This record gives sequence, structure tokens and C-alpha cells, in this order.
Amino acid sequence: NAGVTQTPKFQVLKTGQSMTLQCAQDMNHNSMYWYRQDPGMGLRLIYYSASEGTTDKGEVPNGYNVSRLNKREFSLRLESAAPSQTSVYFCASRTILNTEAFFGQGTRLTVV
Amino acid sequence: EDKVVQSPLSLVVHEGDTVTLNCSYEVTNFRSLLWYKQEKKAPTFLFMLTSSGIEKKSGRLSSILDKKELFSILNITATQTGDSAVYLCAVERYSGAGSYQLTFGKGTKLSVIP
Repeated sequence: NAGVTQTPKFQVLKTGQSMTLQCAQDMNHNSMYWYRQDPGMGLRLIYYSASEGTTDKGEVPNGYNVSRLNKREFSLRLESAAPSQTSVYFCASRTILNTEAFFGQGTRLTVV
Repeated sequence: EDKVVQSPLSLVVHEGDTVTLNCSYEVTNFRSLLWYKQEKKAPTFLFMLTSSGIEKKSGRLSSILDKKELFSILNITATQTGDSAVYLCAVERYSGAGSYQLTFGKGTKLSVIP
């Protein structure tokens, strides 16, 4: 089982460039999440999607957009990258019946 | 605003010691509390707690929730160097329309030295 797959694993962007982080899960989970992790800050929720067709803002949504393309895929887009968006990004998914969230392996993004 | 506060933020112990990690929270529509262990990469699940006073155990790790006082503890006995990691506490709350948010604390970095 692949679980939660994130691509790419690493990315370097110049300020102002755009990119999309991809996340796909093969566990038939309803809910999907995007977090960012910065040193000493834990995991902060950017956006989440309770089910296909719905998305909601989390704690730190500014500068990001998301798309829940179908039940499997939840992408995160940076329209104009800024150095403050340098971080490790994690995608997670879980069922609506409240088991644990499963995490992807993360994307390390550096904006220069 | 939801709050999840973990303490201590970092801890250094010797192998064989017992440690207690703390997590306090303030959230509306609380549903559950989860503990994760994070080494180099993605967090891995340890426990999910929904009821007060019921201890969950897995080997040398155990955890308990107090919904009245709004906190949880994670105990690790007879620590080993492999326990070195960041331990994350997350609180789940119902945010409406069938949607559940997970809010994480900043984590406790545990270092176990031989």
C-alpha cells in the first residue's frame, strides 16, 4: 500500500514563482489536510478538505490555494512564492470515522 | 482560538529513565486527542484518546486523558536511544458540516543519551 504520496520531495523556488504540491491517498479516506512545519512551531494547518468538493481554511491559509480534485487527490498551490513559505509541507488523510491521520513523507520547499 | 500547549519543549534524559510529556488544550467541540512520534520524516501515530481516565498502553509507552482538567500525559518507561524524537500532541475538534480539524502542539523534543 502506498498510503499518502506527496510530490515532489524537494523543491527550490525563486521568489515570485508559482508551484503546486501534489498529494494522493489510496486508502479511500474522506478528509485530507495540508500542514506546514517550521522549526519550533509544530504542525500548522493550512487548509483541509472534509470530503470531495469541499475545502476550508485552517490556521495559516494566506498565500495558498487548494483543490480537492477528487476523493484521492488534494493539491496545494503557491501562486507567488515568498521566502516566508520556506518550510516542510505535510499532507495527511483520515476517514470520517476518526481514526488517526496518516501522513505523507513531506515536501521540503525552499524559497530564495 | 484553539490552543494545544505541550511541555516541556525539550528534554534530555539517560537511557533507562522514565519520562512524562504533557499536553494541555483548549478547544471547542472536543472530539479526541492524539499522540504522534516524529523522527526524521512524517509523524507516526501512537495513541488516540477519547475518554477520560482510560489508559492506553503500547509496550513501554502509555497515555491517559483528563477531559475535566483538559490535559493528557504520555509516559515512556525505561527509555532507549530509539525513543529520541519529537512527540506531537494533536487535538481533534468538530468544525461543522461533517468536518474535523486536527490542531497540533509545538511538540516535545526528547533526547535519550546512552
